[in-house]
Amino acid sequence: KQEVTQIPAALSVPEGENLVLNCSFTDSAIYNLQWFRQDPGKGLTSLLLIQSSQREQTSGRLNASLDKSSGRSTLYIAASQPGDSATYLCAVNTDKLIFGTGTRLQVFP
Amino acid sequence: NAGVTQTPKFRILKIGQSMTLQCTQDMNHNYMYWYRQDPGMGLKLIYYSVGAGITDKGEVPNGYNVSRSTTEDFPLRLELAAPSQTSVYFCASLLSLGVLTDTQYFGPGTRLTVL
Repeated sequence: KQEVTQIPAALSVPEGENLVLNCSFTDSAIYNLQWFRQDPGKGLTSLLLIQSSQREQTSGRLNASLDKSSGRSTLYIAASQPGDSATYLCAVNTDKLIFGTGTRLQVFP
Repeated sequence: NAGVTQTPKFRILKIGQSMTLQCTQDMNHNYMYWYRQDPGMGLKLIYYSVGAGITDKGEVPNGYNVSRSTTEDFPLRLELAAPSQTSVYFCASLLSLGVLTDTQYFGPGTRLTVL
């Protein structure tokens, strides 16, 4: 059974720091991995999607990497801003999307 | 495109009542999903559908039913509401052309409380 774990569960950093969010999964037989952002009381917004054949994807200040063999993905956020404060969820895609429990990020001025 | 829309946004039910959560997408996506999110937790898959007339159970299907009579609509039915079904419910859709390579699009959610 596929299990997805995210570490840390919560993170509080000052503005401007570079930070790394971690995601691990138990079964490497995935089609792709996605990172989502969720603001309080809102739905999910897709940030990055990495296909199983890819090693990384970049979008602006965000960079996500994927190491299927070790069952790990990282989301790197450069020069963090207060507007980045949200919960970040990773999800692995087999024939259905299995989510981790998320990392709650707070960036303070 | 409106994307994925869900109604209602909020609902309070009494134990034993029934209700249907509505979900509609206008992107001609073939796959549709229902998730629930409990406080401080990730999303758990309730049911999903790979096309009109086809549905399948996810991780937590007990207490729920779905139907998919059209490509656009994927309603979720709660027959006998229980306090354990208090949660936020998200509908999502995806375009699959063989290999699941696309991203899922999520609705804004329905916040359900069962008292």
